[in-house]
Amino acid sequence: KAGVTQTPRYLIKTRGQQVTLSCSPISGHRSVSWYQQTPGQGLQFLFEYFSETQRNKGNFPGRFSGRQFSNSRSEMNVSTLELGDSALYLCASSLDGGAGGKQFFGPGTRLTVL
Amino acid sequence: GEDVEQSLFLSVREGDSSVINCTYTDSSSTYLYWYKQEPGAGLQLLTYIFSNMDMKQDQRLTVLLNKKDKHLSLRIADTQTGDSAIYFCAESRRTGGFKTIFGAGTRLFVKA
Repeated sequence: KAGVTQTPRYLIKTRGQQVTLSCSPISGHRSVSWYQQTPGQGLQFLFEYFSETQRNKGNFPGRFSGRQFSNSRSEMNVSTLELGDSALYLCASSLDGGAGGKQFFGPGTRLTVL
Repeated sequence: GEDVEQSLFLSVREGDSSVINCTYTDSSSTYLYWYKQEPGAGLQLLTYIFSNMDMKQDQRLTVLLNKKDKHLSLRIADTQTGDSAIYFCAESRRTGGFKTIFGAGTRLFVKA
């Protein structure tokens, strides 16, 4: 099976712009979670989608949003980018996302905001 | 990460055992995980343990769980230079749905 893929791998934006990141989960996996990884804050949970519904959400402002499509692919959007949004954004997929659900991570999208 | 604590660095010699420690706070955590991250890569699930288990062994990896003290450890036997990476402890927490909380990661240096 192909692993979790994320596109693009690298992205450079300027403050105030918006960005959309994409994640394709492992075939058959219905849960997709998004994380932000920074040197200062570590791995922070953004949100989780399951069957096109946001099932869980972390403590991020409303500028961060996401969605999931019927084929389980997910997109994450960040509007009005700030310098502090520079990070590695990781997507993880699992069969159902419940406790015990083993998550498989993609390689991440590295976003740099100038 | 919120409420999952790990030491930041560990240095060992090749061939020695490495022990990475982690403490968590949520008693409703059902599964606890260890992930490995190599430079420029995403996270790789190494192993996991269910909260009603005390120990799990998988080849060179041994996970010990002390649920009373909320302490988790990962032992890597015969540590190799290829084991150099960041190791994340994580707990699966019941909060309405489930979400996974990660520690800040322990950077393991293996000296040849």
